[in-house]
Amino acid sequence: DQQVKQNSPSLSVQEGRISILNCDYTNSMFDYFLWYKKYPAEGPTFLISISSIKDKNEDGRFTVFLNKSAKHLSLHIVPSQPGDSAVYFCAASRPNDYKLSFGAGTTVTVRA
Amino acid sequence: GAGVSQTPSNKVTEKGKYVELRCDPISGHTALYWYRQSLGQGPEFLIYFQGTGAADDSGLPNDRFFAVRPEGSVSTLKIQRTERGDSAVYLCASSLGSGSYEQYFGPGTRLTVT
Repeated sequence: DQQVKQNSPSLSVQEGRISILNCDYTNSMFDYFLWYKKYPAEGPTFLISISSIKDKNEDGRFTVFLNKSAKHLSLHIVPSQPGDSAVYFCAASRPNDYKLSFGAGTTVTVRA
Repeated sequence: GAGVSQTPSNKVTEKGKYVELRCDPISGHTALYWYRQSLGQGPEFLIYFQGTGAADDSGLPNDRFFAVRPEGSVSTLKIQRTERGDSAVYLCASSLGSGSYEQYFGPGTRLTVT
């Protein structure tokens, strides 16, 4: 059963505009959430994370928002750059359980 | 410093054969994970080592899959009697250890079973 869902398989955005990626989860035990970025033929690279005690975490152009009541998180990238074109995975973990449950990914294409 | 490395990068084998996939974690990382990624899906957890011992092997799909980490560093994922459904990218990740959720991934081994 897929406990982490990314319902948009792809997203196309113009350079300089905002990219918003969405992620939903079903397991209310998840308390730590991460976003990974993946280029072709490479492994996923950690991007940003958020603990369930927060509702927002920001790092440069990347901001993650967490809505626990809705079991929903989102990643905002602003401004989007051509190098942001990649597959983005949402992942979640339970307390003291370090294995990650991943969504299926969203492919972002930034148009010049 | 050096990241997580995995060998081979590609492996083609015939159905029924045995394969070994190797992972070299980041130096000093005590936790090591194996994931499997099928086409169009996200990575799926297989097994987690803390040091030399398998702390969680709940993701291994069946007893054809086995992994070891005898000295707490390099790990080998072993697959016996391979099946076509085992074809996937096998990813290895490492982290500093207990309390660290951020995992650093290697480039993966693409396994194709013909």
